[in-house]
Amino acid sequence: EAGVAQSPRYKIIEKRQSVAFWCNPISGHATLYWYQQILGQGPKLLIQFQNNGVVDDSQLPKDRFSAERLKGVDSTLKIQPAKLEDSAVYLCASSGGVNTRVYGYTFGSGTRLTVV
Amino acid sequence: TQLLEQSPQFLSIQEGENLTVYCNSSSVFSSLQWYRQEPGEGPVLLVTVVTGGEVKKLKRLTFQFGDARKDSSLHITAAQPGDTGLYLCAGARTGANNLFFGTGTRLTVIP
Repeated sequence: EAGVAQSPRYKIIEKRQSVAFWCNPISGHATLYWYQQILGQGPKLLIQFQNNGVVDDSQLPKDRFSAERLKGVDSTLKIQPAKLEDSAVYLCASSGGVNTRVYGYTFGSGTRLTVV
Repeated sequence: TQLLEQSPQFLSIQEGENLTVYCNSSSVFSSLQWYRQEPGEGPVLLVTVVTGGEVKKLKRLTFQFGDARKDSSLHITAAQPGDTGLYLCAGARTGANNLFFGTGTRLTVIP
């Protein structure tokens, strides 16, 4: 089966600019996650979708970050305006649903964002 | 507050040596997973442990879940250069369908 697709792979922007990332999960996976991984750290959950509804966005900096998952398939994550501390890898993951605690996630390769 | 602390943070060993990575928390998890991440890629699931005291083996890798389900360890026997990567533990909290990741252990195996 095809994996989780993310684009772009790399992005360099200036601070205060906006940027968007795209994710296409594994077909049929109802749950989609966006994680932020700062260099040298473990991934941190930003937002979790179940189909097209938000389940958990408690750690999403809502003043600058937004995400949507229209039609319960693809998702986009946007940052506007970007800050230097947003430099990180943004990982998208999907899972089949309620058995995440057993079967885990499938991750995409991530988008590496550099804010200068 | 960081819920999952991994140690050591960095580990560099010679091929053929054994090593253990630890994942500790003050919180109880319903399950704990281990992932390996290579540069430029997303983490890949290695194993899931669910029951307190559970031990799972994956070739040269042995995973253990603590009796109280608050900690876990990963032991690698006779490490090989292909084992090089970032090892991440991730806990599933009761009632939550998402994972909290640890701080990571970067392993380098020198040929």
